[in-house]
Amino acid sequence: QQQVKQSPQSLIVQKGGISIINCAYENTAFDYFPWYQQFPGKGPALLIAIRPDVSEKKEGRFTISFNKSAKQFSLHIMDSQPGDSATYFCAARGRGSTLGRLYFGRGTQLTVWP
Amino acid sequence: DTAVSQTPKYLVTQMGNDKSIKCEQNLGHDTMYWYKQDSKKFLKIMFSYNNKELIINETVPNRFSPKSPDKAHLNLHINSLELGDSAVYFCASSQDLVREQYFGPGTRLTVT
Repeated sequence: QQQVKQSPQSLIVQKGGISIINCAYENTAFDYFPWYQQFPGKGPALLIAIRPDVSEKKEGRFTISFNKSAKQFSLHIMDSQPGDSATYFCAARGRGSTLGRLYFGRGTQLTVWP
Repeated sequence: DTAVSQTPKYLVTQMGNDKSIKCEQNLGHDTMYWYKQDSKKFLKIMFSYNNKELIINETVPNRFSPKSPDKAHLNLHINSLELGDSAVYFCASSQDLVREQYFGPGTRLTVT
């Protein structure tokens, strides 16, 4: 059972455009929602994260929007650059009996054309 | 001064063999993890150790056995390797179960 659903699977954006990746979850027993960026041949690197008591978090060109009632969150990359081309994963961290477990979406392959 | 390191980077072996992957972190973290990333890039947690104690053990064949000799190291031993074990295995660490997880560079295991 896929705990976190991510879309789109792939995304092509022109340089300077806005990249938007969406995630949705069913389980309410999540308390932390990170986004990871992965380049080919590298490990996932933490990009930005949000807690469910906050509706938006911005760090530079990256913004997470969080809708607790809809159980959805999204990553917006403003002014997308070719160097942003990578695979992006959303995740949700369990609490209680699933404390510490990160459940990942299936990833979005972002390509930014110059 | 790599934070989370893994060895080897690549591992090619035949079915039926036994192999180990090693992970070390120099962040002073108490918690370490093993994740498996399949050919479609799906990441799934396998194990987690907190202060050398196994605390997360997902539905993983018992051919996989993690071992933590100390808080800075977490190794993964795999017995009787199968074709389906081919994947990239990532080690990660965090200060504790509720802090950010930092991933290593991965070990690409290919079973032929």
